[in-house]
Amino acid sequence: SQKIEQNSEALNIQEGKTATLTCNYTNYSPAYLQWYRQDPGRGPVFLLLIRENEKEKRKERLKVTFDTTLKQSLFHITASQPADSATYLCALDSTGGGNKLTFGTGTQLKVEL
Amino acid sequence: NAGVTQTPKFQVLKTGQSMTLQCAQDMNHEYMSWYRQDPGMGLRLIHYSVGAGITDQGEVPNGYNVSRSTTEDFPLRLLSAAPSQTSVYFCASSYADTSSYEQYFGPGTRLTVT
Repeated sequence: SQKIEQNSEALNIQEGKTATLTCNYTNYSPAYLQWYRQDPGRGPVFLLLIRENEKEKRKERLKVTFDTTLKQSLFHITASQPADSATYLCALDSTGGGNKLTFGTGTQLKVEL
Repeated sequence: NAGVTQTPKFQVLKTGQSMTLQCAQDMNHEYMSWYRQDPGMGLRLIHYSVGAGITDQGEVPNGYNVSRSTTEDFPLRLLSAAPSQTSVYFCASSYADTSSYEQYFGPGTRLTVT
């Protein structure tokens, strides 16, 4: 069966360090992969999209990689700040149509002073 | 722009009651979706729509109905509420443009069924 896995354990890091979150998937051939941020009590907010033919995407302090051979995406936040503390979700769309996303359960990141 | 709005923010229902969760967007997005979010389960797609008059089932459609008579509105109906439908419900919308599949989420409705 199709499965998306993100680290269920919270990730605690020190301010200024790079946070790396992992998204692994099985039995998918995603056309693209997205990363979202979710704060408590709020809806997810889109961060980045990376397509199957792209290896890496950057936006300010964020970087996403996509390895379709390993079936894995890595999400990096460089120079992390306490304001980056949130839950980060990855989402796949294997249809390419943009209307049927499957989400991982998310990884909670806490950036400490 | 208000973005995606959802009402109510909180709701408590008794088993067997029915209700409609409202969702509206003012961005002229073609696509709209309903998700539910449960602890440890992630967001799961209930129903989605690719345009007015067109809806389809997602991963967990049982017990829910939708319709899309306008581009702006996409209500979700619970026909006969069950405790298993206790969850946080999110509505989302996006453009059909293949250059950007960014989904815009509403603030959510927290539903408790007793």
